Amino acid sequence: DGGITQSPKYLFRKEGQNVTLSCEQNLNHDAMYWYRQDPGQGLRLIYYSQIVNDFQKGDIAEGYSVSREKKESFPLTVTSAQKNPTAFYLCASTDGTGAGYNEQFFGPGTRLTVL
Amino acid sequence: DAKTTQPNSMESNEEEPVHLPCNHSTISGTDYIHWYRQLPSQGPEYVIHGLTSNVNNRMASLAIAEDRKSSTLILHRATLRDAAVYYCILRDPLGAGSYQLTFGKGTKLSVIP
Repeated sequence: DGGITQSPKYLFRKEGQNVTLSCEQNLNHDAMYWYRQDPGQGLRLIYYSQIVNDFQKGDIAEGYSVSREKKESFPLTVTSAQKNPTAFYLCASTDGTGAGYNEQFFGPGTRLTVL
Repeated sequence: DAKTTQPNSMESNEEEPVHLPCNHSTISGTDYIHWYRQLPSQGPEYVIHGLTSNVNNRMASLAIAEDRKSSTLILHRATLRDAAVYYCILRDPLGAGSYQLTFGKGTKLSVIP
């Protein structure tokens, strides 16, 4: 079955540590996204990538970094510079061809807690 | 600036229809109206989208006002598995066919057995 996988499901981090969240898709989608969700709130865009080896900042990129070395993978690193990293992180992808409607598919999310 | 406004919460009895409203008074002529839903501790999932005409799929129906300033998501028979937060969204294009989904707080639907 095609879809998006995120790992780990739960992640605990000490203050001052960098952590990397994994996102893999086997949908052959060009575009991938990282969103952050705080309790009771909507989603906010962190980074997005429309093609391999290219990515752009979203609305709240400070304290985060990404890479897109492979089409199927878009890992997110939460650095120590992110002052309030405790949140639910969601990865998504779309076909991105621009032709017709392209639904955005989401992974199951990673819940990050800073201790 | 919020592009859409929705009630914070709604309740429905199981097996009854549910009408979830959304206002989008600043919608442009080319904006599609999208609905996603998010079950507790899961990623959002696509429900339905439309432009001008009413739309139906296996999950729901979307009724769009003639002036397109509002729309209503209709679940014909609510089940306990439909308890979720429902988001009404106008996409923000990022170029090259990709787009940002700007999620607000949505409407939390509770289904009463």
